[in-house]
Amino acid sequence: EAEVAQSPRYKITEKSQAVAFWCDPISGHATLYWYRQILGQGPELLVQFQDESVVDDSQLPKDRFSAERLKGVDSTLKIQPAELGDSAMYLCASSPRTGKTETQYFGPGTRLLVL
Amino acid sequence: GIQVEQSPPDLILQEGANSTLRCNFSDSVNNLQWFHQNPWGQLINLFYIPSGTKQNGRLSATTVATERYSLLYISSSQTTDSGVYFCAVAWGYGNKLVFGAGTILRVKS
Repeated sequence: EAEVAQSPRYKITEKSQAVAFWCDPISGHATLYWYRQILGQGPELLVQFQDESVVDDSQLPKDRFSAERLKGVDSTLKIQPAELGDSAMYLCASSPRTGKTETQYFGPGTRLLVL
Repeated sequence: GIQVEQSPPDLILQEGANSTLRCNFSDSVNNLQWFHQNPWGQLINLFYIPSGTKQNGRLSATTVATERYSLLYISSSQTTDSGVYFCAVAWGYGNKLVFGAGTILRVKS
């Protein structure tokens, strides 16, 4: 069964350092999402791509976060500089298209700890 | 924006018991998904259920879109059912998922 891949699974970094996460969606899925989940809460959308274009990045802290999906396949989420409050689980999801009837499938996540 | 409320926030069951988890949402939605988050953080799809009733083994779900709620039923609970259950609604132009705060389920043997 096809799955969303993410790496690394765990990342420990010091504040003010740069960190990057990678996501490879299910093959053929045009829509890719990055969510952030703070401990004890539900995930919240950071950015959504349709192919290589950004559909929604209204909740992305653009002063320190950036995301790209250059060829419309895999994606990278970067934080520079990292802050203590960025400690969270970063989840990637994909769906075939941006449609009302599309199921989103989630990867295993990257757990980030900022010291 | 849309509000998604889940209840109860915590639930402790004895193995073999049944339970019902509820999800209320404040606006019309495009679709609704239920997830189980395991101890390693993986979100596992349980149901895609914008309306109606579906069953998968010991789990079933019902969504009444006109009344803006969904229910997840777990029968004959097992210790492996422990974890956090999330309801998420797809809302807005981009169909983004808006999650509730989750229900923490603990099944004791």
